Amino acid sequence: ETGVTQSPTHLIKTRGQQVTLRCSSQSGHNTVSWYQQALGQGPQFIFQYYREEENGRGNFPPRFSGLQFPNYSSELNVNALELDDSALYLCASSFGGGGADTQYFGPGTRLTVL
Amino acid sequence: GQQLNQSPQSMFIQEGEDVSMNCTSSSIFNTWLWYKQDPGEGPVLLIALYKAGELTSNGRLTAQFGITRKDSFLNISASIPSDVGIYFCAGQLNSGGSNYKLTFGKGTLLTVNP
Repeated sequence: ETGVTQSPTHLIKTRGQQVTLRCSSQSGHNTVSWYQQALGQGPQFIFQYYREEENGRGNFPPRFSGLQFPNYSSELNVNALELDDSALYLCASSFGGGGADTQYFGPGTRLTVL
Repeated sequence: GQQLNQSPQSMFIQEGEDVSMNCTSSSIFNTWLWYKQDPGEGPVLLIALYKAGELTSNGRLTAQFGITRKDSFLNISASIPSDVGIYFCAGQLNSGGSNYKLTFGKGTLLTVNP
């Protein structure tokens, strides 16, 4: 069974640029959630995707957007990067109808915005 | 964004000692989870609790879901050096709504002195 994978591992961008992060869900999972983890903090929920539709969103501006593909993999896009966007971005997959199933995390993508 | 109240923030203990950490919330959850995160990695699920009052063990780890549904604790017995890391609690509200985001605490940094 393949776990959750994310790419790239690390990324350095400059303010104002755009970035795309990728996540492959665990085998058998159909739901992907994205989280932002700033240094010294717990992860904060960005949004969740189920059946290729956004299934809930946290307190993040519209420049954070996402996609889910038919194979349940997902992308997180961030436009007009700001310095405060520097963080570890985590995706978590689960199985459910947007349901209460346990979320399993990938290793994360470390984004640095200069 | 919302974060749960997790304490203590950090602990420095001797190998072999027992450890206890807890998490409280101003609102109820119907699932509590405990994760461990190593530096540069994603959170790894340790224990999931699905019912108020539930007490669950996983090896040397024991966790309980508080009766009020607003708190949980995690105990680690006979600590070993590989227990070092950051422990996060997370609450999940499965209200039949469209998203089941996790709300995290700020974490407890555990250091074990061999």
